[in-house]
Amino acid sequence: GAGVSQSPSNKVTEKGKDVELRCDPISGHTALYWYRQRLGQGLEFLIYFQGNSAPDKSGLPSDRFSAERTGESVSTLTIQRTQQEDSAVYLCASSSGTLSYEQYFGPGTRLTVT
Amino acid sequence: AQSVSQHNHHVILSEAASLELGCNYSYGGTVNLFWYVQYPGQHLQLLLKYFSGDPLVKGIKGFEAEFIKSKFSFNLRKPSVQWSDTAEYFCAVRWTGGFKTIFGAGTRLFVKA
Repeated sequence: GAGVSQSPSNKVTEKGKDVELRCDPISGHTALYWYRQRLGQGLEFLIYFQGNSAPDKSGLPSDRFSAERTGESVSTLTIQRTQQEDSAVYLCASSSGTLSYEQYFGPGTRLTVT
Repeated sequence: AQSVSQHNHHVILSEAASLELGCNYSYGGTVNLFWYVQYPGQHLQLLLKYFSGDPLVKGIKGFEAEFIKSKFSFNLRKPSVQWSDTAEYFCAVRWTGGFKTIFGAGTRLFVKA
C-alpha cells in the first residue's frame, strides 16, 4: 500500500516568508509525528498528533512554528517568518497508534531559507 | 532531560567485519527501544525494536540488539557486515507514559567492498 508522502520534496524560500509543509500519513494511522533534522544531526521531535489533537507540542522551537491535522488524515506544518536556522529536512512519520509504536517515515521536505 | 547518545558518528568497516554500534539513554524507567536505518536515497525504516521480554532482539538483515537495563544501553550488532549495510543508523527511545520518541544523532556506516 501507499506509504507516508510529503510535499514539497524541496522548498527554497527567502528569509521572512511563510512556508507550509504537507504530510499525508498511511491510511488508518491515527498517530502522526513531525521531526526536524538539521545537517549532520539527529532527528529533533517537533509535535505529535493522536487523531487531530496534539497532546504533545513540546518540541515546537518557537511560536513561529505551528501544525494542524485534519481528522486522521493530512497534516500541515507551518513556519512563519522563516529564518536561516530553520533550514533543515522536515520529516513526517505515522503509526497505527497501537502498542507497537513503529513509525513509518516519509521522504522528508528539504527546506532551505536564503 | 531525556537524551539518547550514539557513541560513533562515523564507522568504516571492511566486508565480513563484525559491527557493534553503541547506544545509551539518559535515565531509567520503562522504555521502548528502536533502531532505525536509512539507506542512501531511501526513507528511514525500522530495523528492530524492543518492548519487553528477551533482551536480545533480532531484526531484519541479520541485525540484533541487546538491551542492558543496568547500563541504559541498547547496542546494535551484526556478526558480518556486507557492502549493502552502508547506511545511517539511528537509535531511538520512547519512555512509556509519553508520546515523544527521542532519537540519537545517528551513526554513518560505510562498508568497503
